[in-house]
Parts: sequence; structure tokens; C-alpha cells
Amino acid sequence: GNSVTQMEGPVTLSEEAFLTINCTYTATGYPSLFWYVQYPGEGLQLLLKATKADDKGSNKGFEATYRKETTSFHLEKGSVQVSDSAVYFCALDSGGYQKVTFGIGTKLQVIP
Amino acid sequence: DGGITQSPKYLFRKEGQNVTLSCEQNLNHDAMYWYRQDPGQGLRLIYYSQIVNDFQKGDIAEGYSVSREKKESFPLTVTSAQKNPTAFYLCASRDGTVQQETQYFGPGTRLLVL
Repeated sequence: GNSVTQMEGPVTLSEEAFLTINCTYTATGYPSLFWYVQYPGEGLQLLLKATKADDKGSNKGFEATYRKETTSFHLEKGSVQVSDSAVYFCALDSGGYQKVTFGIGTKLQVIP
Repeated sequence: DGGITQSPKYLFRKEGQNVTLSCEQNLNHDAMYWYRQDPGQGLRLIYYSQIVNDFQKGDIAEGYSVSREKKESFPLTVTSAQKNPTAFYLCASRDGTVQQETQYFGPGTRLLVL
């Protein structure tokens, strides 16, 4: 079956540091890949997505590239801010009515 | 504004009591989902529904029940058979007719046991 692997964290960074959160996956076919963000006490919001190999999703300074050869979709940001503190979920969707598979979420703490 | 609403924000359950969590969407989406979120476990699928009057069990359906009488609504009942109901519950929807479309989430309901 499908699976998504990401570190739980917490990842603690100083403001303006470079961020990488690793995400690797196992899936059949050609899934779409997503990063969702969850701020404290809230639901999940879509951060970015990529639907095919070599696509790069980007939003709010965050980027992730769909790497089929390494089955990865790592999230990066060049300079984090305190307001980026949240839990980040990697997810994949194989399409149709199949369920979306989520990773366990990585908590990011950015300190001033 | 289009979106998903969940109510209440906090819900307290007594022993042996059934409680119902509300989820409403005005996005005209066919598919709706219920997830449970526990610390360190990510999101686990409870039930999902592709169309009105049809729903399927997810990975952890025991102790839960749902209905889908209207396209806009997908309420979740946590029954007394669910022995460990304390968690954050998230409802989501998406346009099931579009391949690999994004899921949109509600703000969540936190259920606590008295």
C-alpha cells in the first residue's frame, strides 16, 4: 500500500535559517504529492502541491520538487520566520476516490 | 465565502454517551472525509463518503458512525463503544470528480472525555 515517511520533530530553527523537512513516499502509479500546514488549534491548509515528476510546487517562500527517482518531496524554505511555526504534513494521493495518505507531521519551531 | 465548517469547537463527552460532530461544506464537493488526529500519529481516516447516501469505513471506523443524507453535510457520531475518544477530529472535502484534487479541511473539533 501507499505510505509517507517524514520525521516527527520538533525541528527548532532560529529566524532566517534555512529549512528542510524530508519526505519520502511509497506508492503505486503516479501519485500527486502535497504539503499541508497546520497552525496551533486549526485545521490543515494546503501549502503546495505537485502532480507529476520534476514538478516544483511553491507558495509563501516554500518549495518542494517531485523527485520520482528518489521517491521524495522535500520541503524547503530559504529563510524561516517565527510565523512559520506550525506542523507540516506531507501527503500523497493516487487519484480517483482512493484515500489520501498522510505522513505523521513534522513540528517546526522558529525562535527569534 | 466557500468553505467547511465544523461545530462545536470543543465537545465534552460523559461515560456511555453518544456525541455528534457536525461538518458542513458549501463547496459543492462530492467527497467528504473524517480524520482523527492524535499526537505523534498524524491523521487517521475514520470514514469517507463519495456521494450522498453512500459511505465507506476507513482505517479506524470502530466505535464511530456517519450519515450522508445531504451533499453538504457529513456528521460523525462518536458512540459509547469508542473507548478512547479524546482526540482532535478533522473533516475534509474535495471535488471527487477531479483526479487527485486537493482536500480542503475544516477547523476541527476537539473532543474531551469528562
